[in-house]
Amino acid sequence: DIQMTQSPSTLSASVGDRVTITCRASQSINSWLAWYQQKPGKAPKLLIYQASTLESGVPSRFSGSGSGTEFTLTISSLQPDDFATYYCQQYNTFPRSFGQGTKLQIK
Amino acid sequence: QITLKESGPTLVKPTQTLTLTCTFSGFSLSTSGEGVAWIRQPPGKALEWLALIYWDDDKRYSPSLKSRLTITKDTSKNQVVLTMTNMDPVDTATYYCAHRGDELAYDYWGQGTLVTVSS
Repeated sequence: DIQMTQSPSTLSASVGDRVTITCRASQSINSWLAWYQQKPGKAPKLLIYQASTLESGVPSRFSGSGSGTEFTLTISSLQPDDFATYYCQQYNTFPRSFGQGTKLQIK
Repeated sequence: QITLKESGPTLVKPTQTLTLTCTFSGFSLSTSGEGVAWIRQPPGKALEWLALIYWDDDKRYSPSLKSRLTITKDTSKNQVVLTMTNMDPVDTATYYCAHRGDELAYDYWGQGTLVTVSS
């Protein structure tokens, strides 16, 4: 099974900050990686697929990069609505797997 | 517009079998390429992938739960059913169904249903 490891687990930041979340796969997943945003009590929302492609309707301040085993999600200028938990997920191999999540909180 | 909604019991006893239904609209599981997955999330914890069924009835399971899971589809009813046997308190979680999009990620999710396992 492929293990997905996110860092950091918690990130404190302010509105307007640029933040980066890292996701590492235990083996190569090519570019088969998605990022999701989840708010308390809500289902996850797809932000980025295939490592760097923005889902329709997602603000352009979100971007993704990487391939192989190392990936990043960057938010260029944090907005109040962005404080949430973020998950990466690989879909290169079964079983699919998620990272443990990164909670982005207000500093 | 694609929508999905999970339904099933909110409380099950240990050792019982859980049956969850995902009722969806906006796509057909008889269309080539379509798929529906089940994912769960224990309270305060991360997402865990459980199973996926494809339009051609191909099925994939989490190896750690494979012996306890069965995923089926009823194309005429636009439903996917997940059964999990021998429920335990550690299976307490919100269970989500999700649509596998054209780009293979999960682009639409149900609202989730919280299942508590307790005697």
